Amino acid sequence: EIVMTQSPATLSVSPGERATLSCRASQSVSSNLAWYQQKPGQAPRLLIYGASTRATGIPARFSGSGSGTEFNLTISSLQSEDFAVYYCQQYNNWPPITFGGGTKVEIK
Amino acid sequence: QVQLVQSGAEVKKPGSSVKVTCKAFGGTFGRYAVSWVRQAPGQGLEWMGGIIPLFGTANYPQRFQGRVTITADESATTAYLDLSSLRSEDTAVYYCARSGDGSGHYYSRAFDYWGQGTLVTVSS
Repeated sequence: EIVMTQSPATLSVSPGERATLSCRASQSVSSNLAWYQQKPGQAPRLLIYGASTRATGIPARFSGSGSGTEFNLTISSLQSEDFAVYYCQQYNNWPPITFGGGTKVEIK
Repeated sequence: QVQLVQSGAEVKKPGSSVKVTCKAFGGTFGRYAVSWVRQAPGQGLEWMGGIIPLFGTANYPQRFQGRVTITADESATTAYLDLSSLRSEDTAVYYCARSGDGSGHYYSRAFDYWGQGTLVTVSS
């Protein structure tokens, strides 16, 4: 089973600042990596797939990078609606499909 | 536009079973995989398995084998999750989610559409 590790667990950022979230895989997942955003009481929403491709309707301030075992999600200028929990997910080796533990982005 | 609509909240006794449904509106139901992902209170996301309705074949992670059954009715564009021998640790929100590209890649794609979630509470 591929273990996904996200860091940090919590990121405190001021609105307008840049945020960088990290995700590490226990073995290579190539570029088969997705990022999701989840707000309280809502289902996760797909932001990035293929490690770097924005999903439909996702603003350009969200960008993904990396391949193999190291990945980043960058939010270039945090808006109020971006404060949420973010999860990475690998879909390269399954079963099982696995998720990271999440990074909570909170207002500083 | 694809929409996944799940059945309502359930309260169950320990040792019983629960069945959650996920009906798809829009898209080509059979040509994608439908997975079930759960989230315990305050916790992360956990994949419980999935099915390709076109073939009726399900895949499960080892830890859920024997306790989870995922089925689908392609004509009804509905997927089902059956979880048996419920215990308090199964209290969670259960989501269905779609993956695939409609042309042969099923699980090797991200989850692009999600249901609204179904809260299952296991309590005596």
